[in-house]
Amino acid sequence: GQNIDQPTEMTATEGAIVQINCTYQTSGFNGLFWYQQHAGEAPTFLSYNVLDGLEEKGRFSSFLSRSKGYSYLLLKELQMKDSASYLCAVRASASGGSYIPTFGRGTSLIVHP
Amino acid sequence: DAGVTQSPTHLIKTRGQQVTLRCSPKSGHDTVSWYQQALGQGPQFIFQYYEEEERQRGNFPDRFSGHQFPNYSSELNVNALLLGDSALYLCASSQGLAVGELFFGEGSRLTVL
Repeated sequence: GQNIDQPTEMTATEGAIVQINCTYQTSGFNGLFWYQQHAGEAPTFLSYNVLDGLEEKGRFSSFLSRSKGYSYLLLKELQMKDSASYLCAVRASASGGSYIPTFGRGTSLIVHP
Repeated sequence: DAGVTQSPTHLIKTRGQQVTLRCSPKSGHDTVSWYQQALGQGPQFIFQYYEEEERQRGNFPDRFSGHQFPNYSSELNVNALLLGDSALYLCASSQGLAVGELFFGEGSRLTVL
């Protein structure tokens, strides 16, 4: 099975930087995703890491260390609209050649003025 | 280009009833995965359909069943509804079994009374 752990809630100030951590334990690791989910809406894709290192995409960056089972999502220049739940999802190989992403419970980020 | 569409968006049922939820994948996608998301939790994998067959299944009872049609659309059926089945049911589509980025629909909010 898989175990994914991320903080339940974080708060930050508009314009600041916030780092959301995710630790995982899994066999057959095949990539890690971050999704953003605003209240009452569907999750939307933010980033994907399969190799160690940092992936940067605008204000958002994601880091992966496979040996440590650790990832973080870095949000810069926070805006009020960044208030949302951030879901860490680990993809692992399954039988039949399928790869199923398993989601953590999500981190609720509250950005205040 | 239509994204993932789900219906109905909201529905209310009573214990013991049966429900059918529907999903049309994003154009060009052939794989549909269903997730259950309880309030304050991350999405939990129910099952995945590819080539009209259930390819992977999460830890859900047999009361949860599904189907995929030749046009790649899918249905999720839940029998003998329990209060604990109240949740947001998300459909996600992707291309092929090696699931990359998931594209989610807006979800069907099920309330069981």
